[in-house]
Amino acid sequence: SAVISQKPSRDICQRGTSLTIQCQVDSQVTMMFWYRQQPGQSLTLIATANQGSEATYESGFVIDKFPISRPNLTFSTLTVSNMSPEDSSIYLCSAWGPAGIQETQYFGPGTRLLVL
Amino acid sequence: GQSLEQPSEVTAVEGAIVQINCTYQTSGFYGLSWYQQHDGGAPTFLSYNALDGLEETGRFSSFLSRSDSYGYLLLQELQMKDSASYFCAVGGGATNKLIFGTGTLLAVQP
Repeated sequence: SAVISQKPSRDICQRGTSLTIQCQVDSQVTMMFWYRQQPGQSLTLIATANQGSEATYESGFVIDKFPISRPNLTFSTLTVSNMSPEDSSIYLCSAWGPAGIQETQYFGPGTRLLVL
Repeated sequence: GQSLEQPSEVTAVEGAIVQINCTYQTSGFYGLSWYQQHDGGAPTFLSYNALDGLEETGRFSSFLSRSDSYGYLLLQELQMKDSASYFCAVGGGATNKLIFGTGTLLAVQP
């Protein structure tokens, strides 16, 4: 299995500012993903973080708003840019492969963001 | 588009059996996964079905019917600690990108 940590665990930010969330995996993984989850709601995939290249974004999410980096096989960052109160959410990092069960994704504990 | 529908809430008593259904409309289906998420926690993997039929893992079982675009998670011998949100998700293939269902909040009562 993979153990995933995220920093910060929570933050309160002012509108118009940006926050970068870090995701660290304890082993090399094939794929890394970023999700958003409103309290009491489901998880929505933001993008696939590709190692050494631009992330692949899902419909409704753009690079200018959510720039993502993945410089190596164990680390990724998600930046929430020019924040507004609508960006208040939980942001989750996940990882998959190569170790463990192929179909299993492992999730980090999440970053709870409140934008005032 | 893609959608996965689940009942929003289910209530059951300790020791009982509960079934959480998931119907989906997706493209490029590879398999159906189930995840558990306790309040404030990270989602954790429960089971995966790539083929039709029942998969059993301890007290949890999962079923898939690809022809009906339908699956369910069966929880037996319910315990208080099973109170959580349960999500079905479709994904797999080369990227294992997951699309999650609407989620079901399970409340287990004494």
